[in-house]
Amino acid sequence: AQRVTQPEKLLSVFKGAPVELKCNYSYSGSPELFWYVQYSRQRLQLLLRHISRESIKGFTADLNKGETSFHLKKPFAQEEDSAMYYCALEGSQGNLIFGKGTKLSVKP
Amino acid sequence: NAGVTQTPKFRILKIGQSMTLQCTQDMNHNYMYWYRQDPGMGLKLIYYSVGAGITDKGEVPNGYNVSRSTTEDFPLRLELAAPSQTSVYFCASSYLKGVAAYNEQFFGPGTRLTVL
Repeated sequence: AQRVTQPEKLLSVFKGAPVELKCNYSYSGSPELFWYVQYSRQRLQLLLRHISRESIKGFTADLNKGETSFHLKKPFAQEEDSAMYYCALEGSQGNLIFGKGTKLSVKP
Repeated sequence: NAGVTQTPKFRILKIGQSMTLQCTQDMNHNYMYWYRQDPGMGLKLIYYSVGAGITDKGEVPNGYNVSRSTTEDFPLRLELAAPSQTSVYFCASSYLKGVAAYNEQFFGPGTRLTVL
């Protein structure tokens, strides 16, 4: 079964601290993985995708096939990073299979 | 470019009523999707379309219908509203499928539906 698990509902850190949002997936084959973000009062938007190996707003995510993980990391959190973060896996219909999301709260 | 627009933003229905959630995109995307998000849960796929005239069921299609007569529009119809359909509904579109470098899905702002 295709599944995405985000074990943390809420993650609270202080400004300047490192952040790691966890994501594990279940998928047979080569997965295409994404991180989406939803800031307050804004729509859901793409943050990054693993195939691009990009760093967006200081965030990176590495696909670990052995551990079936795609954790999102940032070395120094900023207050503007506070948002809901969703890990997603591309399904066979081109749709996205989402985790339940992690709410990141960065305190001053 | 307005992107993906959805109407209405909010709606309260009584059990048994029907309604149509509207979704329009102006990016000439082939693929369009309807998701629902229940409280504390991830988004789940209701229906999707790969182009005008072509639709197919997703994970949770029961109680819904869709049509795609144009590239731009992808309305979602609830025929007999039930409390279990209380949710936030998101429409999304993308240009390509299966090519992850290009398969960015663009989302609408959502419609919050309550069925009482």
